Amino acid sequence: KQEVTQIPAALSVPEGENLVLNCSFTDSAIYNLQWFRQDPGKGLTSLLLIQSSQREQTSGRLNASLDKSSGRSTLYIAASQPGDSATYLCAVEWRSQGNLIFGKGTKLSVKP
Amino acid sequence: DADVTQTPRNRITKTGKRIMLECSQTKGHDRMYWYRQDPGLGLQLIYYSFDVKDINKGEISDGYSVSRQAQAKFSLSLESAIPNQTALYFCATSGSGRGYEQYFGPGTRLTVT
Repeated sequence: KQEVTQIPAALSVPEGENLVLNCSFTDSAIYNLQWFRQDPGKGLTSLLLIQSSQREQTSGRLNASLDKSSGRSTLYIAASQPGDSATYLCAVEWRSQGNLIFGKGTKLSVKP
Repeated sequence: DADVTQTPRNRITKTGKRIMLECSQTKGHDRMYWYRQDPGLGLQLIYYSFDVKDINKGEISDGYSVSRQAQAKFSLSLESAIPNQTALYFCATSGSGRGYEQYFGPGTRLTVT
């Protein structure tokens, strides 16, 4: 069964720290992997999409990497700010499916 | 204006009632999706459509039906609502221009009493 796992479920850090969120997935035959941010009671905002042929993508203070052989992706957030507090979701689309399978997310809290 | 809109944003209904949730998009995307989100369970796919004539069941389609009225419109129906369908429902779209990156609407909070 194709699954996406995110550990830890929750993370609290002081403002200014660099941090890494982890995502692991079964089956390396992926089409793409997408990271989202969700604020409480709100919709999902797409942060980064990495296609299967890519190793990483960057947007501002965010950097996402992909290692298909080990079934892992990381989202690196530099110089964290209280406004980064949200739940971060990782989702994978496999070639055989055409739809995203989501992890359960990591709830990030950045303390001032 | 938002690229992906959902109506209504909030709805309270009674057990047994039929309800329709609507989604519209102005992104010109060919693919559209319906998800539900429950605390502790994450997001689960209900139905998805790759074009007007292509409809596919997702992980949890029982108790739901969909209609793709046009490329830009995709509606979700609960024929006879039950309390365990209380959840947050999201519509999403994707297109080939950005590697099928998915864009989500703001969600509909549905409560079935």
